[in-house]
Amino acid sequence: EAGVAQSPRYKIIEKRQSVAFWCNPISGHATLYWYQQILGQGPKLLIQFQNNGVVDDSQLPKDRFSAERLKGVDSTLKIQPAKLEDSAVYLCASRTVRTSGERYNEQFFGPGTRLTVL
Amino acid sequence: TQLLEQSPQFLSIQEGENLTVYCNSSSVFSSLQWYRQEPGEGPVLLVTVVTGGEVKKLKRLTFQFGDARKDSSLHITAAQPGDTGLYLCAGGRGRGSTLGRLYFGRGTQLTVWP
Repeated sequence: EAGVAQSPRYKIIEKRQSVAFWCNPISGHATLYWYQQILGQGPKLLIQFQNNGVVDDSQLPKDRFSAERLKGVDSTLKIQPAKLEDSAVYLCASRTVRTSGERYNEQFFGPGTRLTVL
Repeated sequence: TQLLEQSPQFLSIQEGENLTVYCNSSSVFSSLQWYRQEPGEGPVLLVTVVTGGEVKKLKRLTFQFGDARKDSSLHITAAQPGDTGLYLCAGGRGRGSTLGRLYFGRGTQLTVWP
């Protein structure tokens, strides 16, 4: 089974520029998450999709961040304009609808995109 | 503000030693997960505990969920260099459509020297 794919793996931009990240979840996974992981911290949820609808975007800085999941499969996360404090690893994760069992609520993570804002 | 506090933040030990990592909160969680993350990779699930007082063993790793479902611990026996990585605890909350939302701790960076 193919894992969660993300691209690019690395991105360096200057502040005030825009950037976009792409995620392809595991086939059949209805739930998709975007996390921000700043160096030395755990992942912080930015947005959660269920199919192509937003379930939770309470932690998404909506003045500069946007995300979409057209057709309920791939997703893109955009930052415009970027700030220095946006330097982080952006992780995409997906999950099935399983709600019990040994692997209850397991989220499968992609390798992430490391963003550096200069 | 972190909902989950992990300690210690860094741990550097010799191969063969035992260690315990702690994950504490003032909030109650419906489930508690432990993930391991290696450099350049995303976190990978190790275990999920859902019942207060539950203990799960995975080879040399023992996971415990507190009786009140507010804290958890990870104990590794006879650590090996392959155990090196960032260990993250994650508490699950939410119901219905937000079922599955996880709150992560800052992580414990474990280094095991040969």
